[in-house]
Amino acid sequence: GDSVTQMEGPVTLSEEAFLTINCTYTATGYPSLFWYVQYPGEGLQLLLKATKADDKGSNKGFEATYRKETTSFHLEKGSVQVSDSAVYFCALSSGGSNYKLTFGKGTLLTVNP
Amino acid sequence: NAGVMQNPRHLVRRRGQEARLRCSPMKGHSHVYWYRQLPEEGLKFMVYLQKENIIDESGMPKERFSAEFPKEGPSILRIQQVVRGDSAAYFCASSPERRQETQYFGPGTRLLVL
Repeated sequence: GDSVTQMEGPVTLSEEAFLTINCTYTATGYPSLFWYVQYPGEGLQLLLKATKADDKGSNKGFEATYRKETTSFHLEKGSVQVSDSAVYFCALSSGGSNYKLTFGKGTLLTVNP
Repeated sequence: NAGVMQNPRHLVRRRGQEARLRCSPMKGHSHVYWYRQLPEEGLKFMVYLQKENIIDESGMPKERFSAEFPKEGPSILRIQQVVRGDSAAYFCASSPERRQETQYFGPGTRLLVL
């Protein structure tokens, strides 16, 4: 079945550092790929998405590129802020059940001033 | 525009009791999804509902769990005779019609079974 593997956390960075959170997937067919973010006490919010190979999703300075050859969708940001502290989830949907999201375990990011 | 609302945010039950989790979708959304997050795990799909219909319940445990989305009122996830293994965070999401991939999540209900 479909699965998502993302790097274990927690990740702790200083403000303005470069961020990478790795995500790889296994899926049948051609999945759509997502990054969700969950701030403390809130629900998950869609951060960015990509629906086909070589697409780049971007939002709020975050980027991720859909790499079919490596089955990866790594999240990057050039300069993190304290306000980026949150849990980040990589997810996919595939096949006829495109409503059925498959999530990774989440990565807790803490950014210190 | 209020987001997806879930209540209660925290629920404590003793083994054998019933748990009722409520979800009010975003205004104008007619599709509701429930996910469960066990400790140290990612969110797992449980069930997809439209008004008065269960579309896909392939992720629901076969016993003790049920879900509904009535014509009026919130969606309800019901767990009968809870056991310790039911302790988890339960998230509800909603989507507008025809955009099922774009799901908006609530803050979740943390269920603790003693």
